[in-house]
Amino acid sequence: SQTIHQWPATLVQPVGSPLSLECTVEGTSNPNLYWYRQAAGRGLQLLFYSVGIGQISSEVPQNLSASRPQDRQFILSSKKLLLSDSGFYLCAWSKGVYEQYFGPGTRLTVT
Amino acid sequence: KQEVTQIPAALSVPEGENLVLNCSFTDSAIYNLQWFRQDPGKGLTSLLLIQSSQREQTSGRLNASLDKSSGRSTLYIAASQPGDSATYLCAVRGDGGATNKLIFGTGTLLAVQP
Repeated sequence: SQTIHQWPATLVQPVGSPLSLECTVEGTSNPNLYWYRQAAGRGLQLLFYSVGIGQISSEVPQNLSASRPQDRQFILSSKKLLLSDSGFYLCAWSKGVYEQYFGPGTRLTVT
Repeated sequence: KQEVTQIPAALSVPEGENLVLNCSFTDSAIYNLQWFRQDPGKGLTSLLLIQSSQREQTSGRLNASLDKSSGRSTLYIAASQPGDSATYLCAVRGDGGATNKLIFGTGTLLAVQP
């Protein structure tokens, strides 16, 4: 069966510090991968998606970036965090256009 | 641009009631529609996926219907239980060149009172 992991589960970082969130998927190959952010009281915002290694599509211009160094690994990064980057970050995967599955999320607080 | 709306935003019912959650979308050119639940502080759990060619899908006490032409989906929960309390989200995947992403509604917060 397939599983999706995210770490860390929670993170508190000062403004201006770098960020690296990691997501890995097990039990499948060549998945589509997604990063979402869920801010308090707001809906899910798609940040990036990837259909293959090194292929990243950005949905929202901002100070975040994403990379996919391996087939089942998706990384969300920032060089300098802003207060507005606080939120709940969710990674997800799907096989093409079929059912999408989410990870447990990372709660990021920027202070 | 696809927009997804969920009504009501919040719902409180006594245990044992049957209930219906609504989801509407503005562009009927969808590939599929997916219902999720989210518990506080957790990720999303997939409940049901309906392909655009299907009218409904069932899983246990859950039944989801899709009327693609009118841009509507409903999630029916039978004999609700306190454990059903969560936020329920629907999401549509576009057709044609827009199949790479889901567009989410803002969710319905359900509270089932014991």
